[in-house]
Amino acid sequence: QSALTQPRSVSGSPGQSVTISCTGTSSDIGTYNYDSWYQHSPGKAPRLVIYDVNRRPSEVPDRFSGSKSGNTASLTISGLQAEDEADYYCTSYDGTSLLFGGGTMVTVL
Amino acid sequence: EIHLLESGGGLVQPGGSLRLSCAASGFTFGNYAMVWVRQAPGKGLEWVSGLSYSGGSAYYAGSVKGRFTVSRDNAQNTLYLEMNDLRAEDTALYYCAKDLRAFDLVGVVFDYWGQGTLVTVSS
Repeated sequence: QSALTQPRSVSGSPGQSVTISCTGTSSDIGTYNYDSWYQHSPGKAPRLVIYDVNRRPSEVPDRFSGSKSGNTASLTISGLQAEDEADYYCTSYDGTSLLFGGGTMVTVL
Repeated sequence: EIHLLESGGGLVQPGGSLRLSCAASGFTFGNYAMVWVRQAPGKGLEWVSGLSYSGGSAYYAGSVKGRFTVSRDNAQNTLYLEMNDLRAEDTALYYCAKDLRAFDLVGVVFDYWGQGTLVTVSS
């Protein structure tokens, strides 16, 4: 069982928006602003898409955005594209360990 | 261009040992914390161990503490993971990754990852 809770899957049609939640506790997401999101496709290295809650690496499209409310972080993909189909993992920090969510499969219908 | 190349994986019997390596290039290796993350077959990503940029501070997941040792050779631009007393549940693809920010004691965000090396623990 993962330390952070994500939905197993979400789906959307091209052009739609999807939001993935990542629920932790007051000891991790609720305390530290290190929430990050990684995109991972089979056979590829994970790719950082959001860090520090809502910061985006320069090469990541602005369709990807992050936010947080209380103990829950969220990743929103706007204007969904076929290339966005992948697994997405959230991470946070609890003062001693890096925590991963269980991963969410994003399907583009 | 930044590259991370893991090696050293393979088939090992339960109770055995392996040493993984992660050869880094394209950046000043000694300035960045590094991490090992694994993915068991059909499972999600799991943080295994982290090491500060100097090698002075090491961190481990509870599932590997006391069995795995992380180290680095900044002169050789290489990160290591010494794995002892291996168990079936250690079977996974092991990735190394580079911290986003220089001079972190604890890396929490990783911007470059290798392709992974497969460790299989089975009799």
